[in-house]
Amino acid sequence: QVQLVQSGAEVKKPGASVKVSCKVSGYTLTELSMHWVRQAPGKGLEWMGGFDPEDGETIYAQKFQGRVTMTEDTSTDTAYMELSSLRSEDTAVYYCASYRAPMVRGPYDYWGQGTLVTVSS
Amino acid sequence: QSVLTQPPSVSGAPGQRVTISCTGSSSNIGAGYDVHWYQQLPGTAPKLLIYGNSNRPSGVPDRFSGSKSGTSASLAITGLQAEDEADYYCQSYDSSLSAFYVFGTGTKVTVL
Repeated sequence: QVQLVQSGAEVKKPGASVKVSCKVSGYTLTELSMHWVRQAPGKGLEWMGGFDPEDGETIYAQKFQGRVTMTEDTSTDTAYMELSSLRSEDTAVYYCASYRAPMVRGPYDYWGQGTLVTVSS
Repeated sequence: QSVLTQPPSVSGAPGQRVTISCTGSSSNIGAGYDVHWYQQLPGTAPKLLIYGNSNRPSGVPDRFSGSKSGTSASLAITGLQAEDEADYYCQSYDSSLSAFYVFGTGTKVTVL
């Protein structure tokens, strides 16, 4: 069974960066298309970006372009999401979510437990 | 702002049937992209409920069903149970440049 285990909660000051990890077990990272979704307190789900198996590239929501970087370490089956120039509106729970490659535009079968990132001065 | 619109809330008594709509446009649902549905219980990660418009993953009760027509999709819950009280989100793909994978605005289901 696939498990996605994320790193712990973070508290950051405005202007700082945060890097959240997502460790995969039960599958290898290369067998999955890994994406990141966030949820602000009391709000809905917001897609940030992820790996597109059709193009073989990582794609980002326009809203986060230039501020987010998603990387993968296949040697440890760990995915990372780094968000820079943090502001208070970035306070949210960040989820990694994945579907099995080489499916294209698949549903998110697997989710991490979420990582709370709090941005506060 | 989400490009998929859902009603903020729906409610029903135990045993009743409720439906949740998900309204999109010609760049997402209307373009033929699949719609998926997720259930999010309080304080937990979302869970896949319906995929490919109308398919249930293993373990999801057949009380949950999905459909799609034109630029909209719907989730129906029949025989509503107390444990169904949760937030529900639709999700699809959008061919515009702002975001490729899009979620609905979310619907809170309350069991009266």
